Amino acid sequence: AQSVTQLDSQVPVFEEAPVELRCNYSSSVSVYLFWYVQYPNQGLQLLLKYLSGSTLVKGINGFEAEFNKSQTSFHLRKPSVHISDTAEYFCAVGHGSGNTGKLIFGQGTTLQVKP
Amino acid sequence: NAGVTQTPKFQVLKTGQSMTLQCAQDMNHEYMSWYRQDPGMGLRLIHYSVGAGITDQGEVPNGYNVSRSTTEDFPLRLLSAAPSQTSVYFCASSSGPGQGSGETQYFGPGTRLLVL
Repeated sequence: AQSVTQLDSQVPVFEEAPVELRCNYSSSVSVYLFWYVQYPNQGLQLLLKYLSGSTLVKGINGFEAEFNKSQTSFHLRKPSVHISDTAEYFCAVGHGSGNTGKLIFGQGTTLQVKP
Repeated sequence: NAGVTQTPKFQVLKTGQSMTLQCAQDMNHEYMSWYRQDPGMGLRLIHYSVGAGITDQGEVPNGYNVSRSTTEDFPLRLLSAAPSQTSVYFCASSSGPGQGSGETQYFGPGTRLLVL
């Protein structure tokens, strides 16, 4: 069975500092990996995704993530955060058979950017 | 395109009442899903559909029914609401494998449900 673990429930960071949000997954088949962001009182928005190819994936708003198959990780990074990045971030995995109706989400990480 | 729309935005129910959460998409997506979001638990899949007339259960299907009579609509029915169903419900759609957008799921704005 697939599962996703986000290793930090909350990450406080000062503005303009770098940040890494950690995500580990378990799956017995090839996977698709996603990071979604949820701003307060809104739905989820795709930040980036890994389907195949280059393991370094660049997304919107200056975020990037690296797929590491050996460590089964897909950590999200940003070199310099802004106050507007304060939100909840979700890592998700869908398996490679293409059944896109089934995404497994992590528990979420709240990024709190302080001035 | 309106994308994925959900109604209502907020609903209060009494235990035992029934209701239908509406979800519609105008992107001609084959795949649609319902999730519930609870604090500290992320999003959990309730039901999903891979096309009109085809539905299947997700991780937490008990207490919910779905149907998919058209490509556009995917309503979620609560037959007899319970306080444990207090949550935020999100509908999502995606184009499916082999399409230009890959596996991206597009989410609606959510429905906040309070069951007293």
